[in-house]
Amino acid sequence: GEDVEQSLFLSVREGDSSVINCTYTDSSSTYLYWYKQEPGAGLQLLTYIFSNMDMKQDQRLTVLLNKKDKHLSLRIADTQTGDSAIYFCAVITTSGTYKYIFGTGTRLKVLA
Amino acid sequence: NAGVTQTPKFQVLKTGQSMTLQCAQDMNHNSMYWYRQDPGMGLRLIYYSASEGTTDKGEVPNGYNVSRLNKREFSLRLESAAPSQTSVYFCASSEAGHNQPQHFGDGTRLSIL
Repeated sequence: GEDVEQSLFLSVREGDSSVINCTYTDSSSTYLYWYKQEPGAGLQLLTYIFSNMDMKQDQRLTVLLNKKDKHLSLRIADTQTGDSAIYFCAVITTSGTYKYIFGTGTRLKVLA
Repeated sequence: NAGVTQTPKFQVLKTGQSMTLQCAQDMNHNSMYWYRQDPGMGLRLIYYSASEGTTDKGEVPNGYNVSRLNKREFSLRLESAAPSQTSVYFCASSEAGHNQPQHFGDGTRLSIL
């Protein structure tokens, strides 16, 4: 079945860039999302990219998509302590039944 | 700006007890979802409702039932709670269409003893 994987933890220093990676297996994924979850809260949509794009930039956020390798990344420039959270990638697959599949989440810790 | 509201926020149950988790959205969304979040496993879809009057099973539906009461409300019921159902439960909603982003509530933290 479809699978979406992320590394569990990432630690960076304040002011550095963070890169969170995501790999997926289903080549029919047409929309790919990044969500942020702060402690005690639900997921909030951060940004998204369509499968016909290679890159999308949104202020401090850059999303890169390598369709050949089925690899998605989220880069946060000038990482701040407020960026500490769990980040989830999510892909929508349309092969057969519609499915919205979340990755396992990456816990980002920003050190002051 | 309520968005998606879940009640209760916390609950402790004994094995075998029943409970209904409530979810309401005020964004006039057609689609609603129930997920459970467990450490290291991301979010797993329990049930979803593409539109009022329809419900479908997700990845992990066993032990749960749902009711789409109206366009705003989508409830999740545990008929006989088991310790394996200890989890954080999230409700989400989205506009119609498979490519739409989902809007989440703040979750219900449920412990089954």
